[in-house]
Amino acid sequence: NAGVTQTPKFQVLKTGQSMTLQCAQDMNHNSMYWYRQDPGMGLRLIYYSASEGTTDKGEVPNGYNVSRLNKREFSLRLESAAPSQTSVYFCASRGTAMPQHFGDGTRLSIL
Amino acid sequence: GEDVEQSLFLSVREGDSSVINCTYTDSSSTYLYWYKQEPGAGLQLLTYIFSNMDMKQDQRLTVLLNKKDKHLSLRIADTQTGDSAIYFCAESNSGGYNKLIFGAGTRLAVHP
Repeated sequence: NAGVTQTPKFQVLKTGQSMTLQCAQDMNHNSMYWYRQDPGMGLRLIYYSASEGTTDKGEVPNGYNVSRLNKREFSLRLESAAPSQTSVYFCASRGTAMPQHFGDGTRLSIL
Repeated sequence: GEDVEQSLFLSVREGDSSVINCTYTDSSSTYLYWYKQEPGAGLQLLTYIFSNMDMKQDQRLTVLLNKKDKHLSLRIADTQTGDSAIYFCAESNSGGYNKLIFGAGTRLAVHP
C-alpha cells in the first residue's frame, strides 16, 4: 500500500524554468492538497481539491497552478520558477471524516 | 486570524517523559492533530483528538486538550532516541475542505 506518492523527490531549476510536481494516491480519497514547508515555519496550503474536477486556492497560491487529472492524481505546476519558491513541497490526501495523509515531499531548489 | 504556536525546541534524556505544548486561536476548531516529521521524510500522523474530548491515550502517547485555554499537549512516555524528530501541532475546522493550520513545529532532541 503506497499511500501518497510524490515525484520527483529532488529537483534543481534555474530561475524562469517551468516544471510540474506529480502526486498520486491509491486510497480512493476525494480530497487532495498541496503544501509548502519553509524553514522555521509550519506547512502552508497552496491549493486544494475537494473532489475530482474542482480546485481552489489556499493560503499562498501565487506563482502556482494545479490540475486534478482524475481522482488519483493532483499535480502542481510552476510556470516560471523564482528563488522564493525554493521549498519542500508536500502533497496530502484525505478521505471523508479522516485525517490528511502526506507524501514524502519534493525538495525543490531554484537558482 | 487563525494561528497555532509551539515552542521551537525541547531536549530530554532518554527514558524520561517529553511534553510538547501547543496553543491555538480558532475556537471553532473541531479536530487537533499531532504529526511527526523525521529528517528528510514526510509528515506522519501520530494521533488526533476531537474537540469535545479532554484526553486521548495511545500506547506511549497521551494527548491533553484544554479547550477553555485553547491549549493542546502531547506527552511521550519513556522517550527513546527514535522519537527525535520535529512534531507539528495542527488544527482544523468543520469547513468543507478540512483546512489545516500548522504550528512551526517543535524539534525534540533525545540524548543518552
